[in-house]
Amino acid sequence: GAGVSQSPSNKVTEKGKDVELRCDPISGHTALYWYRQSLGQGLEFLIYFQGNSAPDKSGLPSDRFSAERTGGSVSTLTIQRTQQEDSAVYLCASSFSGVYNEQFFGPGTRLTVL
Amino acid sequence: AQTVTQSQPEMSVQEAETVTLSCTYDTSESDYYLFWYKQPPSRQMILVIRQEAYKQQNATENRFSVNFQKAAKSFSLKISDSQLGDAAMYFCAYSGFQKLVFGTGTRLLVSP
Repeated sequence: GAGVSQSPSNKVTEKGKDVELRCDPISGHTALYWYRQSLGQGLEFLIYFQGNSAPDKSGLPSDRFSAERTGGSVSTLTIQRTQQEDSAVYLCASSFSGVYNEQFFGPGTRLTVL
Repeated sequence: AQTVTQSQPEMSVQEAETVTLSCTYDTSESDYYLFWYKQPPSRQMILVIRQEAYKQQNATENRFSVNFQKAAKSFSLKISDSQLGDAAMYFCAYSGFQKLVFGTGTRLLVSP
């Protein structure tokens, strides 16, 4: 079956603009995660959705970052008033219920803020 | 808070040889899971191997095996008979029953 897909694959924006990054998880996966990977760094957890529960937003770095998951499927990560330090690869992953299950990752969106 | 440390930014190995990547973690939880993920240049993260903390037996997946030392909070990855396709970033990750925490990664170089 299809894996996790993300769009766009690359996004270049100007400082101060808003951006939306999209993630389509694997069908049937109830858990969805967003991570940020800066150059030469590991993955930084941003947010975790599990079914209909309130999301775990503890990793969001500022109130400029928000995410939604509609209908328990597609998710959108929004970054408002982008800053140069927001430049990174944003990875989405999905899994069957529970973080102890294997996470299947998308190819990521490379965001460049000029 | 849980932390994961990978002290080797880069490792090199020759084809057909064996290499071990190190990972240590810190936690106060008793039940948790540990993972090794591989990220090739294509950026696609792929699960290599998973270990449940309550299992004493080390996990094995073909040429990949782990040395899990719970008391020492150590979780190393051994790659046997290394292949050119093994060249990638390798991330160690910890999961309690919340989010995954990743280490900073080890870049593995494989030479012919």
